[in-house]
Order: sequence, then structure tokens, then C-alpha cells
Amino acid sequence: GAGVSQSPSNKVTEKGKDVELRCDPISGHTALYWYRQSLGQGLEFLIYFQGNSAPDKSGLPSDRFSAERTGGSVSTLTIQRTQQEDSAVYLCASTGGLSTDTQYFGPGTRLTVL
Amino acid sequence: QKEVEQDPGPLSVPEGAIVSLNCTYSNSAFQYFMWYRQYSRKGPELLMYTYSSGNKEDGRFTAQVDKSSKYISLFIRDSQPSDSATYLCAMSARATSGTYKYIFGTGTRLKVLA
Repeated sequence: GAGVSQSPSNKVTEKGKDVELRCDPISGHTALYWYRQSLGQGLEFLIYFQGNSAPDKSGLPSDRFSAERTGGSVSTLTIQRTQQEDSAVYLCASTGGLSTDTQYFGPGTRLTVL
Repeated sequence: QKEVEQDPGPLSVPEGAIVSLNCTYSNSAFQYFMWYRQYSRKGPELLMYTYSSGNKEDGRFTAQVDKSSKYISLFIRDSQPSDSATYLCAMSARATSGTYKYIFGTGTRLKVLA
């Protein structure tokens, strides 16, 4: 596709349930980032994938958060045993092509934990 | 102290005004400087990208970087109601691991009044 896509666009879940968020990066982009954006906060880095290298997980806030990137393309962010403080917009970005230092963002998934 | 500081606003200006948005940073390792525009319920969209100190112009937008003062600015000339959005500054540097580390400001909410 022409841009980064994410699904679902909105997710409402109950506290304690697991959720999976999906990101389809721009075709050919080698790097993929996940961020969390809470109201009034900047983008909080979560995890970074680059090619076949081990991911940089330094931003994951707890062991309830994990992410995979299959085949160097699609990525899934999983949050287990969700808590109310996990409510936020989760954004995915990919980089690559002619300008490897600029990020192109998807529309985000708005997660609400009740 | 945050690595990147950005006034959250909100900033309200009349149509046609010149808008100045600013960020300061503390990490001299930052090499790349970006401005993103984010409309409500959308992902951030890259506006401007600069590498070195100085000015870069694109239409009504001018990005300015002063590495000696660790200060970046975005100027919007002849502002339009369609410019109403949140503007995020971002900076990146390559870590020793090869990962690109991106740090975002909290964003400045701009409203251009018709």
C-alpha cells in the first residue's frame, strides 16, 4: 500500500484482557517502530525492529508488552492483562527508502481499557 | 530534564499571521531534526526534515536549526485555518548499536482562527 496501515483503528477492552494491535509498514521499509501517545504527552518509544537484527525493546514499559515482526514486514504489538493506564493511542512508523532517517506514521490504534 | 522541551500551547492566532513554534534540546548527539503535523485522531505527518544548522524552506514553512543553542524552530507564514493541528518536533541520533533513536516533543496545539 501507499502508506503505513494499522488495525484496528479503535479497540475497547476490559481490564485484564489481552489485546493485539497490527501494523503494516510501507513496502520495502526495513525499520519499524512502535510508539505510545497519551493525552498531553509526547510519543513514547516502545520497540524498534531493523531487518533481521534483534529488536530494541528498551522502551517497553513492562513484561506485559511484547511485539513481533514476521517476515520483516507486518508487526503485532501484544499487551497482556491490560490495565487502565494502558489506554492510549498506539502508533506505528516505518523508515527506509531514500531517506532512512525520516519516519512515516500510520493512523494509530486508539486503545481504551475499561 | 527532558531531552526535548516543547511548549504545549495551545496557541491561537488569526488567519494570515506568522506562527513560530519552538523546541529546545539537551543532547548534542542529535543529528536529524524533524517537524511533524498531527491532525486530530490521525497519525503524525512529516512536514520538514533538516540535518544541519540553518534554514530550510518549503512553501509557507521554514525550519530553522541552531545547533550551538540547541534550539529548533518552525515558522508558518500566512497561516490558514487548515494549519490548525498539533505540531511535534522530533530529533534523532544513531546509537552505537546502529539503532536510530527518535525523541519527540510533547507537541504544540495550534489553532488558526478564520
